[in-house]
Formats: sequence, structure tokens, C-alpha cells
Amino acid sequence: AQTVTQSQPEMSVQEAETVTLSCTYDTSENNYYLFWYKQPPSRQMILVIRQEAYKQQNATENRFSVNFQKAAKSFSLKISDSQLGDTAMYFCAFRFPNYGQNFVFGPGTRLSVLP
Amino acid sequence: ETGVTQSPTHLIKTRGQQVTLRCSSQSGHNTVSWYQQALGQGPQFIFQYYREEENGRGNFPPRFSGLQFPNYSSELNVNALELDDSALYLCASSQKGQGNEKLFFGSGTQLSVL
Repeated sequence: AQTVTQSQPEMSVQEAETVTLSCTYDTSENNYYLFWYKQPPSRQMILVIRQEAYKQQNATENRFSVNFQKAAKSFSLKISDSQLGDTAMYFCAFRFPNYGQNFVFGPGTRLSVLP
Repeated sequence: ETGVTQSPTHLIKTRGQQVTLRCSSQSGHNTVSWYQQALGQGPQFIFQYYREEENGRGNFPPRFSGLQFPNYSSELNVNALELDDSALYLCASSQKGQGNEKLFFGSGTQLSVL
């Protein structure tokens, strides 16, 4: 079974500091894509960052970066210089190239950025 | 560029009733999918439509059905509502491509079944 685990239900961080959200997943496939999505109170899921499993280089998007460890099936998200607007639910997800929009999501981590 | 829009934003139904949720895809997107997000959980894939045909389905019973129209808008229909159907229903769209295309989500319809 394909599963995603996020072991931190809730986290908090002071504004301007750095926080890392954990994610592990389980799949027997070798080729897939990994994502972090953010869901603010508006409920709209917003793509934060994505990573192709065949790429060894970790993806970065401005203040957001990932630590992708394929052998360990780990995909953590680091947020640098945290801002109040980063307060949201964060979901880790993956999908396979031929599975269309069939994403497998984790249960989420609620992140609070404190002033 | 318009985003993904869903209607209604909130809905209250009683057990046994039927419901239709609507979604307008982002301009230029030909693939739409629906997700169910129960309280405190991540979204779960219901199904996907591409060129007006179901093109992938998650572990949901047949009473969950859908349609995609020529303009790529979509409907999710749920028959014989059960209490456990209470959830946020998210619609997402993308342009079918090489596998790593971005998925754009709407803000969802919050369905409460009493």
C-alpha cells in the first residue's frame, strides 16, 4: 500500500526562524513525484515545492527547500525566515507519473508562526 | 488566468439525500479530479476526469459519480448520503502532461450531512 506519514501533528516556530517538517512515505515504485502543499484557513491547497524522485539534487523555492533521501523514503520541508503568512496546514504528497492526478496525501502538520 | 472555482462553498444535507457539487477548471486545463478531505485528515482521491471520461478512481463506492463537460467544468454527485460523507470536497485541475504538472485546487465545498 502507498502511504505517507507526517509524524508531527502540530509545530510552532518564531517569526524569522527556521523550521523543518518531516515526511516519510512507503512505495515499492522507483519513479514518482513528491510534493509539499500548504492549506491556509482559506482551505485552498497551494503548491509549495515539488521534487522528481529521479533527481538527486534537492529542490528549492525561495525560502522553502527539501531534504530528499530516497533510500530512507524521507522528504522533509525546511522553511527559512518563517513569516506569519506561513501559518497553515502542510501536506506531504506523492504520485506516480502514469496515475494522473491521483495524489496520496499525508495527514498534515499544522504549523503556527508566532510573532 | 482564472483559478479553480467551486460552488457552493457550504452545503447542509440530510442522510439519504443526493447532492451535486460543481467545479470550474482553471483556464486551459483539460483534467479535473475530486478529493474528499475529512476533518483533521489529508485529502483522499475520489476520481479524475479527462476528456469527459473517468480516467482513474480511488477507493470510493459507486454512489460517488461525476461528470466533465466540454468546457472542462465538472460535477461531483453523491447519492444516498451518509453521515461519514461530511467533509470538505476539493476540486483540482491540471493540463495533462508528462507527469509532474502542477495541480491547482479550488477552495472546496464544505458538506455537512445531518
